[in-house]
Formats: sequence, C-alpha cells, structure tokens
Amino acid sequence: SSVVTQPPSVSVAPGKTARITCGGNIIGSTGVHWYQQKPSQAPVLVISYDTDRPSGTPERFSGSKSGNTATLTISRVEAGDEADYYCQVWDYTSDQYLFGAGTMLTVL
Amino acid sequence: EVQLVESGGGLVQPGGSLRLSCVASGFTFSNYSMTWVRQAPGKGLEWISVISVSGAFAYYGDFVKGRFTISRDNSRNTVDLQMNSLRAEDTAIYYCAKDSRAGAFSPADHWGQGILVTVSS
Repeated sequence: SSVVTQPPSVSVAPGKTARITCGGNIIGSTGVHWYQQKPSQAPVLVISYDTDRPSGTPERFSGSKSGNTATLTISRVEAGDEADYYCQVWDYTSDQYLFGAGTMLTVL
Repeated sequence: EVQLVESGGGLVQPGGSLRLSCVASGFTFSNYSMTWVRQAPGKGLEWISVISVSGAFAYYGDFVKGRFTISRDNSRNTVDLQMNSLRAEDTAIYYCAKDSRAGAFSPADHWGQGILVTVSS
C-alpha cells in the first residue's frame, strides 16, 4: 500500500500561521481529509476533500493541495488549536484508508 | 444529535476474541457507511475497516489480515467489529465513526468516545 508522510511536529506563535503538510505519491490522485485530535478526545474532521470545511470548522482552517503535497493551514493560531493533526486519504491501489503518522502542533 | 456508543471492550488474552459493538442514534443509520479506527496508547490513528450502507461491501486495513470482520444491522442501528486471534499490538482505543456523505465511503464526521481493548496475559 501507499504511504503518506507528515512532519512529526510544528511550532507556531499565537496569531501566526501554521502550515502542516501531508505528502505522498498518491496525494495528487485522491482527496485528502484532515482531523484534529486533542488529548483524551476523539478526532474531529476539520477539512475534507482537500479544501472543504465541515460546518463548525473555523474559517481560520483551510486546506490546499499542489502536486503530491497537501497542506493544512491554520491562520491566526490560538492556544486552543494545540493538538495532533492527521491527514487521511483513500488508497485506491489497495482499497483502504491511510492515515499519516500525525503532526503535533505546539502553540508557543 | 448524532451519538455513537461503543461497547464490548476490555481485557482479553493473546489469541483470544472480542466483539465490539457500536449503537448509533440521531441520524438515518441505513444511509451511511460506518467505520472503525483504533489508536494504540501514545500512537497515531490507524484505520481498521469500513462497511457500506447495505453491508454488502467492506474494506480492511492491511494489518487486519483476515482476523477482523465488520458487520452491521440496520434494523438495530448497530455496527460490530469481530476481532479474532488478538495480539498484544492490538491493544488500543477503538473508535466507531459515521461517514460524512450519505451512500458513499467518505471521511468520518462523527466519532464515538472510544473503547479500550487490552490484549494481555
């Protein structure tokens, strides 16, 4: 099966912009979804199909994709955004969903 | 309000079996695919399986290798995960989740609170 890669950690100061990437050969051919998970909580879908914001996702969260890399961008970062973020894709070569290993976002 | 409540977790010996169940409410269950995801202690999310609205189609993560079976009962609004030949590395919190788009495999927009499965002698 394919592999999707995320940086283990990203740090950002409050009010600045955080960018979390998700890369892999399959990215350009399938929709990318992003989840936020805070400690001891279930994941929350924050971006679906590359760029769609589910209801309830703040407008500060946006998704984009270029070639084989997808990016979750969080503008005007707040302390409450500190969490683990996971990308997810459907691997059509093996008929299964894949998660990236996750990125821990630290707000300095 | 969408609610997903898992049950059936607990301690099981290596090689043993366990059946997880998830009861859903607050939406038309028979219109949505359902998913199981797990998370080992201190680790990331791992996708396990998805089942279609009718139950006719199911897909599994590579690591399952025939040990787990997903099923659903649309008359009772439940989705189950039968787990056999359990190993220590199956120890995790198991989440039941609802796919977001009616009639299609899609990212999960609602999740249960998760249930702990511990495989240990």
